[in-house]
Amino acid sequence: AIQMTQSPSSLSASVGDRVTITCRASQGLGDDLGWYQQKPGKAPKVLICDASTLQSGVPSRFSGSGSGTDFTLTISSLQPEDFATYYCLQDHSHPWTFGQGTKVEIK
Amino acid sequence: EVQLLESGGGLEQPGGSLRLSCAASGFTFSTYAMNWVRQAPGKGLEWVSAISGSGESTSYADSVKGRFAIFRDNSRNTLYLQMNSLRAEDTAIYYCGKDLSSSWGGKGLDYWGQGTLVTVSS
Repeated sequence: AIQMTQSPSSLSASVGDRVTITCRASQGLGDDLGWYQQKPGKAPKVLICDASTLQSGVPSRFSGSGSGTDFTLTISSLQPEDFATYYCLQDHSHPWTFGQGTKVEIK
Repeated sequence: EVQLLESGGGLEQPGGSLRLSCAASGFTFSTYAMNWVRQAPGKGLEWVSAISGSGESTSYADSVKGRFAIFRDNSRNTLYLQMNSLRAEDTAIYYCGKDLSSSWGGKGLDYWGQGTLVTVSS
C-alpha cells in the first residue's frame, strides 16, 4: 500500500497567517491526491481534488499544489472557521490511504 | 440534495458480527462507487473499503480484508458493510462516502454521512 506522510502533525497559528501543510507519498501519485477538512464531531469535508482543483463552495484562500510524491495545502489567510484537522488522501490506487492529519490550532 | 444516512452501529463482543447500512438519496446511486471510512476515537481517518457502481469491483484495506465485506443494493439505494470476526481495534465511527467520479478508481469523496459508532468490547 502507498504510505502517506503528512506534516506537521499540529501547528499553532493566528488569524491572518499563511499556513502550509505537506504530504509526501511513498510512490508517485500523478495528481491523484485530495485534501479534507474535519471539525470536531463532524464528518470530513472535501476541499481539493486532483491535487489542485478547488471544490465548489470552498473559499479561494485554500489552494493545493504538487504532483508525483510531494503535495502542499496552503491557506493564504487563516480565518477563525479554518481551525480544524486537515487530511490528505491518495486516490491513485487501492487501498486508498490518508495522511496522519494536521491539527490547526489557535495561537 | 445528496444525503447519506448510516445505521447499524452499536456494541458488539470480540469475534461477533455487525452489518452497517448507508441509505443514499439525491443522486443516481448506481452510477457512483461508494466507500467506507472509519475513525477510531481520537485518531485519524482510515479508508476501509470501496465498491463500484455496479457492485462488480471491490477493494479493502489490509486491516479488514477477509473479515469485512462490502456490497450494495442499487434497487434500494443502499450500501452495506458486513463486519465479521470483530476486534477491539475495529472500534470506530464508520462513515460512508460517495465517490466524486463515476469511474472505478475514483477521485476522492465528495459527500459523507454523519457516521455510525461501532464499539467492540466484552
